[in-house]
Amino acid sequence: GAVVSQHPSRVICKSGTSVKIECRSLDFQATTMFWYRQFPKQSLMLMATSNEGSKATYEQGVEKDKFLINHASLTLSTLTVTSAHPEDSSFYICSASGGAYEQFFGPGTRLTVL
Amino acid sequence: QKEVEQDPGPLSVPEGAIVSLNCTYSNSAFQYFMWYRQYSRKGPELLMYTYSSGNKEDGRFTAQVDKSSKYISLFIRDSQPSDSATYLCAMSLQGGSEKLVFGKGTKLTVNP
Repeated sequence: GAVVSQHPSRVICKSGTSVKIECRSLDFQATTMFWYRQFPKQSLMLMATSNEGSKATYEQGVEKDKFLINHASLTLSTLTVTSAHPEDSSFYICSASGGAYEQFFGPGTRLTVL
Repeated sequence: QKEVEQDPGPLSVPEGAIVSLNCTYSNSAFQYFMWYRQYSRKGPELLMYTYSSGNKEDGRFTAQVDKSSKYISLFIRDSQPSDSATYLCAMSLQGGSEKLVFGKGTKLTVNP
C-alpha cells in the first residue's frame, strides 16, 4: 500500500505554545487528507477533512481557530495546534486518500502538553 | 445510539483459535465497510474492505457484511500471536475519499 508519514512522531511542549504536525503522502498524490484524534482506549475521532487548495471542513465541536489545517500541496498537509493546553494531549493521526476507496494512515503523532 | 458499536473487549484466545470480531451500525446509508488493525502507538493498517453486502476472504481473514441486519464481522482463522492488536471497524457512505466512522476497537490478544 501507499505510504503516509507524519512528523514529528512525538512532541512535548509547554502550555500556551503552538505545535505543528506534518503529514506527507510519499508515493501518491492525496486529493483529500483527514486528521483524527485518538484518546487512550478510545476510537479515532475525525477532526477535519482537507482538500488540496481549499479550506478544511471541521467536524462539529472542533475549534477551527485552535486546530489550523493547511493542505498546500497534493502531498503535504499540516495541523497546527495553537495555544496548546494539557487537554489537547492526545494521539493525532492523519490519513490520505488519492480518490479511491482506501485511506492510508500515518503512524501518528503523540502530543503531550505540560 | 452511537453510529457504530463495537465491543472493546479485551478478547484473549489461544494460538490457533478462530476469532470473531463484530460491529453493528445504525446508518443504513453506509456502503463501504473496512477493518483496520492497529498496533499499540501506531497508525491503523487496512486489513479488509467490502462494498455493500457479502463476504470477502483474504488468507486467514474473512469479512462479512449483512446490511439487512446492519452487522459486520471479521473472522481470523488459525490466529497467531502476531495478530495481537486492536481491530477497528470503519464505514463510510462513499468510499475512501469520504470520512470514515470508526468503532471503538476490540483489543485482541493471542496467547502462544
